[in-house]
Amino acid sequence: NAGVTQTPKFQVLKTGQSMTLQCAQDMNHNSMYWYRQDPGMGLRLIYYSASEGTTDKGEVPNGYNVSRLNKREFSLRLESAAPSQTSVYFCASVRSGSTDTQYFGPGTRLTVL
Amino acid sequence: QKEVEQDPGPLSVPEGAIVSLNCTYSNSAFQYFMWYRQYSRKGPELLMYTYSSGNKEDGRFTAQVDKSSKYISLFIRDSQPSDSATYLCAMSERYIPTFGRGTSLIVHP
Repeated sequence: NAGVTQTPKFQVLKTGQSMTLQCAQDMNHNSMYWYRQDPGMGLRLIYYSASEGTTDKGEVPNGYNVSRLNKREFSLRLESAAPSQTSVYFCASVRSGSTDTQYFGPGTRLTVL
Repeated sequence: QKEVEQDPGPLSVPEGAIVSLNCTYSNSAFQYFMWYRQYSRKGPELLMYTYSSGNKEDGRFTAQVDKSSKYISLFIRDSQPSDSATYLCAMSERYIPTFGRGTSLIVHP
């Protein structure tokens, strides 16, 4: 049982490049989330997927797209990276039967030059 | 004003001290309250979860919720250097939690 896994762990991009952050969970959770964490800003929700087949915007969705590929996987795509997207990105999933206790992945540290 | 306010610290205490971490909130619809611990360069991990007002104890940790004052607390007894981390409060109505900014705690030997 690996919990929530994220790839890659680190990434450096140039402005304008694109990339996809991958997230997978093996806990049979229904809901999955993408956050970014910046110094002094706490965790801010980018997008979430309440269930397979649905996605919704969070607090800071601009510049990002998501895909809920199946129940296990939820990916985050940056189509044209900007320096303002330099951050640590966390994926999380919600335990079945408990609406709001989230389990987090280890994070992806992204730098956009 | 953010919906959830949390002092970022850092809070520095000696080993063995009782630590009190706090958050205030403005949304009276919040009904789920959580505390997460985040070690440096790691993802947050759930520490405590409460649904209603009152106290919940788990080992050295006690979570307290006062809905009338819109105030939640986390107490750590007999603090250890291994407790040094950032502690984030979170609360929600249903599926979307709102996080505080986190309080950095340093427990020195």
